Amino acid sequence: DIQMTQSPSSLSASVGDRVTITCRASQSISSYLNWYQQKPGKAPNLLIYAASSLQSGVPSRFSGSGSGTDFTLTISSLQPEDFATYHCQQSYSIPYTFGQGTKLEIK
Amino acid sequence: EEQLLESGGGLVQPGGSLRLSCAASGFTFSGYALSWVRQAPGKGLEWVAGISGSGGTIYYIDSVKGRLTVSRDNSKNTLYLQMNTLRADDTAIYYCAKDGFSNVRGWFDPWGQGALVTVSS
Repeated sequence: DIQMTQSPSSLSASVGDRVTITCRASQSISSYLNWYQQKPGKAPNLLIYAASSLQSGVPSRFSGSGSGTDFTLTISSLQPEDFATYHCQQSYSIPYTFGQGTKLEIK
Repeated sequence: EEQLLESGGGLVQPGGSLRLSCAASGFTFSGYALSWVRQAPGKGLEWVAGISGSGGTIYYIDSVKGRLTVSRDNSKNTLYLQMNTLRADDTAIYYCAKDGFSNVRGWFDPWGQGALVTVSS
């Protein structure tokens, strides 16, 4: 199985900050990498698919990059509604696997 | 609007059984694969199983093979997860999620609100 490792596991930031979360795959997954946002008590919501494609309706302050084994999710200017947990997920091969999550908290 | 709504969660003893349902609306149900993804309390997400739009192709993670069975009824727009021989480590919120394709490709959007399954004596 492909292991997905996110860093950091948690992050404190302020409204207006630029934030980057990293996801590393245990083997090359080309661009088969998706990012989800999950708020407490809610289901995950797809933000980015295929490493860098913005899902419809997702604000443009979210962006994704990377290929192979190393990927990043960037929020250009944090808004109050962005404080949540972010998960990366590989869709390269079954079983599909997720990172452990990055909890983004208000500083 | 595409929507998924799970039901059937609850408390079950170890070794027991439970069936989850996921009712879909707002899209051509038979045209899309669906998956079950679970989240143990305070833990990350774990993909459990996926089924193609036709129901002809099914995948599972190793830890649930032989115990959990995914199926779908395209005439009722409903996905199912039959859970047998349940163990404590099956305790989780179970989400159904729509794939972006007719085959299981791993692009999950949207997700249902989740159904809590607690396995405990």
